[in-house]
Parts: sequence; structure tokens; C-alpha cells
Amino acid sequence: DAGVIQSPRHEVTEMGQEVTLRCKPISGHNSLFWYRQTMMRGLELLIYFNNNVPIDDSGMPEDRFSAKMPNASFSTLKIQPSEPRDSAVYFCASSPGLRTEAFFGQGTRLTVV
Amino acid sequence: GENVEQHPSTLSVQEGDSAVIKCTYSDSASNYFPWYKQELGKGPQLIIDIRSNVGEKKDQRIAVTLNKTAKHFSLHITETQPEDSAVYFCAASPSNQFYFGTGTSLTVIP
Repeated sequence: DAGVIQSPRHEVTEMGQEVTLRCKPISGHNSLFWYRQTMMRGLELLIYFNNNVPIDDSGMPEDRFSAKMPNASFSTLKIQPSEPRDSAVYFCASSPGLRTEAFFGQGTRLTVV
Repeated sequence: GENVEQHPSTLSVQEGDSAVIKCTYSDSASNYFPWYKQELGKGPQLIIDIRSNVGEKKDQRIAVTLNKTAKHFSLHITETQPEDSAVYFCAASPSNQFYFGTGTSLTVIP
């Protein structure tokens, strides 16, 4: 398996634009997580899905952020409109079950100018 | 929710010496504690984990200890090598979520 695949690896966009980050979890994993990493706040959990259903989205900063998981092999994180303070590295991770190892993707480095 | 604290935030050791990173957690329901290593430009990778029914686990030069009563767990790296230089994160899991510490930047000086 190629592991968790995220795209794009880097994204530079202008303030106000819509940004969509993509994730393909490891096949057979039923949990998927979106994290945001910044120097100030470290790794923050934004949302997680279990069996494609959003379980906890309390970490989503505000209504500008939304996440979907239309099927077991694909998830998106969308920011609309984007703001400079959204600049961070966004990680997707998947896990095969409860309280087991989470496998991280390589991350998407988002810069909003 | 769970609150994980990690210390120190930075750590420098001479090659061959040992490194210890400590974490505390708040939720007694947490029973899974993974440790991740993150190299520059990469995502975190699991290096070792421990469950609450075990007090210590070792894998070559890496060991983790857990004290459930005191709610703290530690990572021990012996005979450090330059390639151990990275950021290390502890985490605690009371449910299907992972709550991460703020990270320790380890530098091993050759």
C-alpha cells in the first residue's frame, strides 16, 4: 500500500479564494482524521470520520472550513474563503480501528497571501 | 476533553547519550499512548506505542514507560545517533481520537 496520499503537497493561494485539500486513506482503514499543524498550536485535530461519517468536528475553526468523505477512499477539506491565518500544514491520517496507530500522509503546506 | 502536556520543548544531547521526553495526560479513560517522530517536511510516523495494561515496552534503542496512577508516560532513547534528530510527539487516546502533545525538538550533536 502506498500509504495515506494527500494532494496537493503545496498550495499557494490568495486571500478570499477557495482551497480544497484532498486525501486518500489506506485501503481498509475505517477512521480518517484531518489535522492542522502550526508552530504556535502544534497538531490540532480538526475533524474525524468513522466509516465515512463525521463523528467529531468540534475542532473545525469556523464555518469557512468544511470536510466531506463521500466514500471510504476519499476525503476533502475545503476552506472558503481562505484567510492568511489559515496558512499551515494540513495532515490527513487514517487508522484501521479504535485506539490503534494512525498513519499520516505527507501533508499539504498551505500558504494564503 | 483530554489534555496532553509534553516536556521539554527542545532537547540537545551528545551522540551516544540518552534522551528522555515526558508527557502527562488528564483523562483517565485514555488507554492507548503512541509516540510519533516527525522529520522535516514529512508527516509524523509512529515509533512505539503502549497500552494501559502494560507498564513498559522496549524496541531496540527506544523504550516507553507508563504510570497510569500518576497519568504520565515517557519516551527513552538510548545510544542516540544523529539520525534520531527530529521532532517527537506523544499522544493519548481516550476514544477514537488522538490528543497530541506540543512536541519536543531533539538534536543529537555528533
